[in-house]
Amino acid sequence: QVQLVQSGAEVKKPGASVKVSCKASGYTFTDYYFHWVRQAPGQGLQWMGWINPNSGDTNFAQRFQDNVTLTRDTSISTVYMELSSLTSDDTAVYYCVRATCGGATCSPPLDYWGQGTLVTVSS
Amino acid sequence: DIQMTQSPSTLSASVGDRVTITCRASQSIGVWLAWYQQKPGKAPNPLIYKASTLEGGVPLRFSGSGSGTEFTLTISSLQPDDFATYYCQQYDKYPLAFGGGTKVEIK
Repeated sequence: QVQLVQSGAEVKKPGASVKVSCKASGYTFTDYYFHWVRQAPGQGLQWMGWINPNSGDTNFAQRFQDNVTLTRDTSISTVYMELSSLTSDDTAVYYCVRATCGGATCSPPLDYWGQGTLVTVSS
Repeated sequence: DIQMTQSPSTLSASVGDRVTITCRASQSIGVWLAWYQQKPGKAPNPLIYKASTLEGGVPLRFSGSGSGTEFTLTISSLQPDDFATYYCQQYDKYPLAFGGGTKVEIK
């Protein structure tokens, strides 16, 4: 069965960086894109960007273009999301999500979600 | 960017009630709309995509309709497991965008 298993919770100081991993299993890793979505405490969902694990191509929401890096390691079926210059506004649960493709109208759009990783930014 | 607006933000209902949640897009998105259910401390669970197509395993009491800018999610007979927060999401254009959520509470 498809599983996306993310790394554990992190506590970081303002200005630091954090790197969250997402290991996929149960399907061919390079056949599906990975999106990242975050959710601040008590708030809604915010799309951050995607990576094509086959090519390494990425696409970001404008808000995250300068401080988010998405990478992958195909040898271990894992994608990574690195967020730099952290502020308290970055305190959130970060989800990796599988998607059929990178085109906007791919259906279904986001079909399998990781369990989420809580990143807390606090001095 | 496309903005998604859900209403109501909170809904109080009883088991067995018919429940309808509305989602509006700031511009036409065709049928490129998905719905998710989220329970506290859990990741969102996909329910519907392409406005009205149920994901596998989703109970038939859930249905979706609409096109263009107005969409609805209907639960025909609310069950105890359905008390949760529901989000719509447009995937017509990037950046992908979610509605603010509708919390379905026990009346």
